[in-house]
Amino acid sequence: AQKVTQAQTEISVVEKEDVTLDCVYETRDTTYYLFWYKQPPSGELVFLIRRNSFDEQNEISGRYSWNFQKSTSSFNFTITASQVVDSAVYFCALSTSGTYKYIFGTGTRLKVLA
Amino acid sequence: SAVISQKPSRDICQRGTSLTIQCQVDSQVTMMFWYRQQPGQSLTLIATANQGSEATYESGFVIDKFPISRPNLTFSTLTVSNMSPEDSSIYLCSVRTSSYEQYFGPGTRLTVT
Repeated sequence: AQKVTQAQTEISVVEKEDVTLDCVYETRDTTYYLFWYKQPPSGELVFLIRRNSFDEQNEISGRYSWNFQKSTSSFNFTITASQVVDSAVYFCALSTSGTYKYIFGTGTRLKVLA
Repeated sequence: SAVISQKPSRDICQRGTSLTIQCQVDSQVTMMFWYRQQPGQSLTLIATANQGSEATYESGFVIDKFPISRPNLTFSTLTVSNMSPEDSSIYLCSVRTSSYEQYFGPGTRLTVT
């Protein structure tokens, strides 16, 4: 069975704090893809990153960084020096090479307070 | 990436009526998807729409309730039929690129009264 767990339902931080959003996945497939999406209050889903199962390099993009660890089946997302505009619901998703479908986590609502 | 538009962006409909949602992509894509997102919830896949074939529906969703058309590689429609208040949701279409990435439209916010 495939599953994505985002245990943090809601996180509140004060602006400029760092925050990490957790994502734990389950799959028996050896080739799979992990994703993060941002859904601001406007409702549109914004693609942030894709990570392949065979590439465990961490990635940094500006204030965003992602830590992929196959040993713990985790793909965590860190926002450094958070800003109010980061307030959104963030979804982690999994897709395997044998299917086109995405398995979404339940999302983490991030509130960044000024 | 892909740029996706949806019409309408929002609507308020009466119980028992139907609404057709349009999804337009700026490039040709093989796979298009329709999702439902109920308030405060995650995304649930309704069906996959491939051009030239019948849509494939997920468990709990049926063609009579959610008929889908896919007349070409850049366009699809989803109809929500015989609506009830439980159908109040955001409906999103998405497309999958060759690199397994999915890009989503802005969504259609449907309220059924």
